[in-house]
Amino acid sequence: EAGVVQSPRYKIIEKKQPVAFWCNPISGHNTLYWYLQNLGQGPELLIRYENEEAVDDSQLPKDRFSAERLKGVDSTLKIQPAELGDSAVYLCASRQGPEGTEAFFGQGTRLTVV
Amino acid sequence: LAKTTQPISMDSYEGQEVNITCSHNNIATNDYITWYQQFPSQGPRFIIQGYKTKVTNEVASLFIPADRKSSTLSLPRVSLSDTAVYYCLVGGAGSQGNLIFGKGTKLSVKP
Repeated sequence: EAGVVQSPRYKIIEKKQPVAFWCNPISGHNTLYWYLQNLGQGPELLIRYENEEAVDDSQLPKDRFSAERLKGVDSTLKIQPAELGDSAVYLCASRQGPEGTEAFFGQGTRLTVV
Repeated sequence: LAKTTQPISMDSYEGQEVNITCSHNNIATNDYITWYQQFPSQGPRFIIQGYKTKVTNEVASLFIPADRKSSTLSLPRVSLSDTAVYYCLVGGAGSQGNLIFGKGTKLSVKP
């Protein structure tokens, strides 16, 4: 079975441009996370979904970041407009329902804003 | 969520046993302790999870004392491929709760 799939793997954009990241979680996983990871730091939670509901988006910079998880499966994270400081790796993870304890991560999207 | 404290880095040699200790003084009664491993250019990967005493799987062992204020991840006979960052997380099991990562411990295994 495929793991968590993220695309693109790499993205280079100019500042002030929009960018979007896509995540396909493991089939049947109701919980989905988006993280941001800077070099040498641990992943920082941006948003958590339970099915299609964003149950925690307190760390999402809502002035420029947005996310959606239509139909409770795939998810998209968008930045508009991007800033130089947004350069980082964006990780998606999914987790099964109440019976699941292990989260599975994708390989991430490395964003470079120039 | 309980805050965790880990050493920033550790060095070891191939074949040695490595123990990484994590402090979580404010752990809640229903919190589990989970460890993840991360290689460069990859997402974190689940290693082991426990609630109390000792848990062992094919990769590692997790030792948790009775007061649960700390935990120790034990990697037996490490190899070069165990060089990675190891994260200790504390929180509720299942789909409840967020996964909050600290800075982790960077383990370097030398030949």
